[in-house]
Amino acid sequence: DQQVKQNSPSLSVQEGRISILNCDYTNSMFDYFLWYKKYPAEGPTFLISISSIKDKNEDGRFTVFLNKSAKHLSLHIVPSQPGDSAVYFCAANTNAGKSTFGDGTTLTVKP
Amino acid sequence: DAGITQSPRYKITETGRQVTLMCHQTWSHSYMFWYRQDLGHGLRLIYYSAAADITDKGEVPDGYVVSRSKTENFPLTLESATRSQTSVYFCASSEWLGDRGHNYGYTFGSGTRLTVV
Repeated sequence: DQQVKQNSPSLSVQEGRISILNCDYTNSMFDYFLWYKKYPAEGPTFLISISSIKDKNEDGRFTVFLNKSAKHLSLHIVPSQPGDSAVYFCAANTNAGKSTFGDGTTLTVKP
Repeated sequence: DAGITQSPRYKITETGRQVTLMCHQTWSHSYMFWYRQDLGHGLRLIYYSAAADITDKGEVPDGYVVSRSKTENFPLTLESATRSQTSVYFCASSEWLGDRGHNYGYTFGSGTRLTVV
């Protein structure tokens, strides 16, 4: 039973437009959510996170929204840039600290 | 240089052989993790360690052994490699920040691509 799901394997957007990456979870014990970005032949790098007590966290062009009732979070990138093309992983933590990852969404930003 | 390094970057081994993947971090982070990434499966936790001499199983531990005699090193050993263990392996570290836990994210190494033939 996959507890963190990213249902869209890929997403393609035009440069300058908004990218919206989605993530759903099933475990109500998750209390912190994170997004990582991964380029080919590199390890994932931490991008942005949000606590379960908040519904929005913003960092520059990146904003994460959390809807606890729907067990859904999303990452918005505005404006999208070609350098944002990467695989994005959603992850969720319980109080124990271990992260559970989704399968990732490959974002392609076209010039 | 400060960071987390994995070695080797690429490894080809034969079925049944023992192989060890190395992971070294320079921050003295208390927590270290091993994940594997397979096509269509994202990152799955193999083993993790909360401190030297403390290790615990993750989601997919079968066929793997870990040890952590020093805080900075966390080697992963495949005792008898199988084709199903062909994967990209990522090591990560994190500091425990009390009730904030690991919520500032893990720091990952660049990965080891292992092929078992």
